[in-house]
Amino acid sequence: AQSVTQLDSQVPVFEEAPVELRCNYSSSVSVYLFWYVQYPNQGLQLLLKYLSGSTLVKGINGFEAEFNKSQTSFHLRKPSVHISDTAEYFCAVSGFISYGGSQGNLIFGKGTKLSVKP
Amino acid sequence: DADVTQTPRNRITKTGKRIMLECSQTKGHDRMYWYRQDPGLGLRLIYYSFDVKDINKGEISDGYSVSRQAQAKFSLSLESAIPNQTALYFCATSDLQQGPRETQYFGPGTRLLVL
Repeated sequence: AQSVTQLDSQVPVFEEAPVELRCNYSSSVSVYLFWYVQYPNQGLQLLLKYLSGSTLVKGINGFEAEFNKSQTSFHLRKPSVHISDTAEYFCAVSGFISYGGSQGNLIFGKGTKLSVKP
Repeated sequence: DADVTQTPRNRITKTGKRIMLECSQTKGHDRMYWYRQDPGLGLRLIYYSFDVKDINKGEISDGYSVSRQAQAKFSLSLESAIPNQTALYFCATSDLQQGPRETQYFGPGTRLLVL
């Protein structure tokens, strides 16, 4: 079975400071990895994704993530955050997942709430 | 106009009532999903559909049913609502062509309170 662990439920940080949101996954098959962001009172939107190739993936709003197969990690980083980055961030893994014999799709972590303070 | 819409956006109901949450999309995608979000638990898959004739249970389908009325419409029903179904519900769509590489596009969510 595949799973995703987001190691921090909340991350407070001051504006213009760097931030790293940690994500580890487990899987016995090849996976695709995603980061989604949920701004207050909105649905989720894709921030970036790793499918193959370069392990450093750049996304929207200055975010980037690095896929590390040996450490089964896909941490999200931004060198300088803004107030507008305050949101909840979800790491997700996609593969061939079974739910009682059916095939599913994305497995989400429990989310990390990023709070950027002035 | 939004590509994925959900109605209603907020709903309060009583235990034992039957309710339906509706989702429509204009993205032309074949795949549609229903998730629920609970604080601290992330998103969990309830049901998904790869086309009009294909419906599949997700991780937490008990107490829910779905209907895929058309390619663009996917409804979630709670046959007899109970308080622990209080949650934020999201509909999502994705493109069949991309398979597991696909990006999912989410609606704005329906906030449901069961009293």
